[in-house]
Amino acid sequence: DTAVSQTPKYLVTQMGNDKSIKCEQNLGHDTMYWYKQDSKKFLKIMFSYNNKELIINETVPNRFSPKSPDKAHLNLHINSLELGDSAVYFCASSQSVAGGDTQYFGPGTRLTVL
Amino acid sequence: GNSVTQMEGPVTLSEEAFLTINCTYTATGYPSLFWYVQYPGEGLQLLLKATKADDKGSNKGFEATYRKETTSFHLEKGSVQVSDSAVYFCALSPRLGSNYKLTFGKGTLLTVNP
Repeated sequence: DTAVSQTPKYLVTQMGNDKSIKCEQNLGHDTMYWYKQDSKKFLKIMFSYNNKELIINETVPNRFSPKSPDKAHLNLHINSLELGDSAVYFCASSQSVAGGDTQYFGPGTRLTVL
Repeated sequence: GNSVTQMEGPVTLSEEAFLTINCTYTATGYPSLFWYVQYPGEGLQLLLKATKADDKGSNKGFEATYRKETTSFHLEKGSVQVSDSAVYFCALSPRLGSNYKLTFGKGTLLTVNP
């Protein structure tokens, strides 16, 4: 069974469109994250949720809106897509917010904005 | 703030060569330290971790020792294989506080040739 899954794996869309990426974890973890990986492989956290509550929001444009309907799901909705949004987006989860907890990553969603 | 500096790649080695990827960090207190690996087209996987000074993390022949005095967590492997070709990320998380987040280095691309 896949521990952290994301859909879709690839997303190609036009500038100005709105799109969503879905993430699900079956590990029973309390905490979930969204990361953005740019073309140079640099990884930066965007958001973190603990028990459906937003705990980290890293200066991300408000066109990005995460939603956590329950502990096992964290979705990312992006409005008015821009060229600079092209990247690979990774979802991750961990047992808790405690330092030292391992994060488990999904396979990534490659977003290309044309 | 917290930061991680790891050696720039790419690193190209022949099979059975010795590998070192340097990683140093800046953090308040004593963070937990991690090495994650990203194989081509996949998400990140935890390779090893250490949560306190002088701890040695090890997995799949890779090792790294938490050195508080030099604020370092260098990754080593005695004999690399072609299958080790991947991007390696050093990362830290604070051990105190509830809003912990993982701070990554920029990644080091390793290519192992037969």
